[in-house]
Amino acid sequence: DAMVIQNPRYQVTQFGKPVTLSCSQTLNHNVMYWYQQKSSQAPKLLFHYYDKDFNNEADTPDNFQSRRPNTSFCFLDIRSPGLGDAAMYLCATSTRDTGQPQHFGDGTRLSIL
Amino acid sequence: GDSVTQMEGPVTLSEEAFLTINCTYTATGYPSLFWYVQYPGEGLQLLLKATKADDKGSNKGFEATYRKETTSFHLEKGSVQVSDSAVYFCALRGSQGGSEKLVFGKGTKLTVNP
Repeated sequence: DAMVIQNPRYQVTQFGKPVTLSCSQTLNHNVMYWYQQKSSQAPKLLFHYYDKDFNNEADTPDNFQSRRPNTSFCFLDIRSPGLGDAAMYLCATSTRDTGQPQHFGDGTRLSIL
Repeated sequence: GDSVTQMEGPVTLSEEAFLTINCTYTATGYPSLFWYVQYPGEGLQLLLKATKADDKGSNKGFEATYRKETTSFHLEKGSVQVSDSAVYFCALRGSQGGSEKLVFGKGTKLTVNP
């Protein structure tokens, strides 16, 4: 089945130690998204790519970066994680068709020690 | 800008009860509307969608009708099960060209007791 895969499902890192989360897709969608979701809240969009065009949300901290080396893969880099960055990170994909939904991966739960 | 207002809950029901979760929206043009469900520790799954006025989306016994006159997309299910316990998000995607973002409601946590 075509899908969005996030690795790892659980990630533990130390305060200030860089961490990378990965996302891959077999849907061949040209838009990929990264969201941060904290407990009991809606997902918060960090940034998205339309093909290789990067679109950052205005309130996304500089500590968060992203790379999309090809259509299938997208990475979220947190350069110096703080305790407030502990959250679920969700990757999603879609086409540009506004009638189509976004397809989500199962997320990576990030813990900061 | 576009926005979604959703009944926040939490909602607690007994098995086989009727469910309604209210969702209203504000948007220019003709957005597409979605309901997503999130089970504990998982990502969001698309539950149903509607892309134009009077469309009814349905899946797994859940239904929602796109009502342009009331700008609403309420989620309903006639008889809930324990396995329906989850968080439900209403969302819209704008109709303007190149609109890639989803606007989410705050989510409604549903607990169904046996």
